[in-house]
Amino acid sequence: EIVLTQSPATLSLSPGERATLSCRASQSVGTSLAWYQQKFGQAPRLLIYDASSRATGIPARFSGSGSGTDFTLTISSLETEDFAVYYCQQRSNWPLTFGGGTKVEIK
Amino acid sequence: EVQLVESGGGLVQPGGSLRLSCAASGFTFSDYAMNWVRQAPGKGLEWISYISISSITTYYADSVEGRFTISRDNDKNSLYLQMSSLRHEDTAVYYCATSTWNWGQGTLVTVSS
Repeated sequence: EIVLTQSPATLSLSPGERATLSCRASQSVGTSLAWYQQKFGQAPRLLIYDASSRATGIPARFSGSGSGTDFTLTISSLETEDFAVYYCQQRSNWPLTFGGGTKVEIK
Repeated sequence: EVQLVESGGGLVQPGGSLRLSCAASGFTFSDYAMNWVRQAPGKGLEWISYISISSITTYYADSVEGRFTISRDNDKNSLYLQMSSLRHEDTAVYYCATSTWNWGQGTLVTVSS
């Protein structure tokens, strides 16, 4: 099973700041990595797939990068609606696995 | 618009069974593989099962292998998860999701005596 480790666990930032979230895989997943946003009481929403492709309707301030074992989700300038929990997911191998999440909170 | 609506959750005793359903609309259900993902209270996401378009291929997480069965009815645009031998640790919100990762809103399953 591929283990995904997300860091940091919590990121405290102010609106307008840049957020950089990390996801590291225990073995190479190529570019088969996705990022999701989840707000309290809601289902996850797909942000990024194939490591760097934005899903339909996702604002350009969200970007993904990386390949192999190291991946980054960047939010260029935080909006108030971006404060949420973010998960990475690998789709390279079964079982599919998720990282433990990074909570982006208002500082 | 893709819409997925889960149902069938509730309170069940340890060792009991429950069948979840996911009703799909707004897209051609038979063109998409499907998944079940769960989230225990206050915890992260856990993928638990996958079914291919034609139901030929299924996959399960080790945590549910042998206890849960995924199935689908393309004529009824529906996905199912038959859960048996339920344990306290199966308590979670259960989401269905398409292979392109559109998600339903989830249904809560609570395993408790």
